[in-house]
Amino acid sequence: DIQMTQSPSSLSASLGDRVTITCRASQIVSTYVSWYQQKPGKAPKLLIYAASSLQSGVPSRFSGSGSETDFTLTISSLQPEDFATYYCQQSYSPLGYTFGQGTRVEMK
Amino acid sequence: QVQLQESGPGLVKPSQTLSLTCTVSGDSITSGTYYWSWIRQPAGKGLEWIGRIHTSGSTQYNPSLRSRVTISVDPSKNQYSLKLSSVTAADTAVYYCARARSGWGSWYFDLWGRGTLVTVSA
Repeated sequence: DIQMTQSPSSLSASLGDRVTITCRASQIVSTYVSWYQQKPGKAPKLLIYAASSLQSGVPSRFSGSGSETDFTLTISSLQPEDFATYYCQQSYSPLGYTFGQGTRVEMK
Repeated sequence: QVQLQESGPGLVKPSQTLSLTCTVSGDSITSGTYYWSWIRQPAGKGLEWIGRIHTSGSTQYNPSLRSRVTISVDPSKNQYSLKLSSVTAADTAVYYCARARSGWGSWYFDLWGRGTLVTVSA
């Protein structure tokens, strides 16, 4: 089973900050990684798929990069609506999908 | 606009079977190349994929839950369903249905239901 480990588990940032969240896979997953944003009481929302493809309608301040085992989600300039929890997810394993444990982005 | 909506009992007794249905509206569940999944999230915790089904009937389950999970599809009703047997308090969670699609070889969840809380308690 492929484990996805996110870091940090939480972070504090200010409006306008550049925020970077890392996701490391326990084995190579090619570029089969997606990123989601979840706000309290809401379903997750897809941001990035295939490691770096921006989902339609998602602001361009969100970007993804990486391949094999190391992946990054970057928010170039943090906006008020970006305070949320972010999850990575892999779809490479033939055993199914797994998510990272989440990274909570809080206001400093 | 395609939407997903979970339905089912919000309270299940220990050792019984949890049953949920996801209704797809706005398009046929058979259109496109999608896998239809169930995902759950205990309060304050992360996301756990439970399993998926294609409208052909092909299924795949999380190995950690495989012995207790059954996912089925009813294209005539535009619905798919989850059954989780022998539940315990550890199965208390918000359960989401979600659509998975493929892009550049990667499968991702582009459409989610709002989620439904299922509590396991006597």
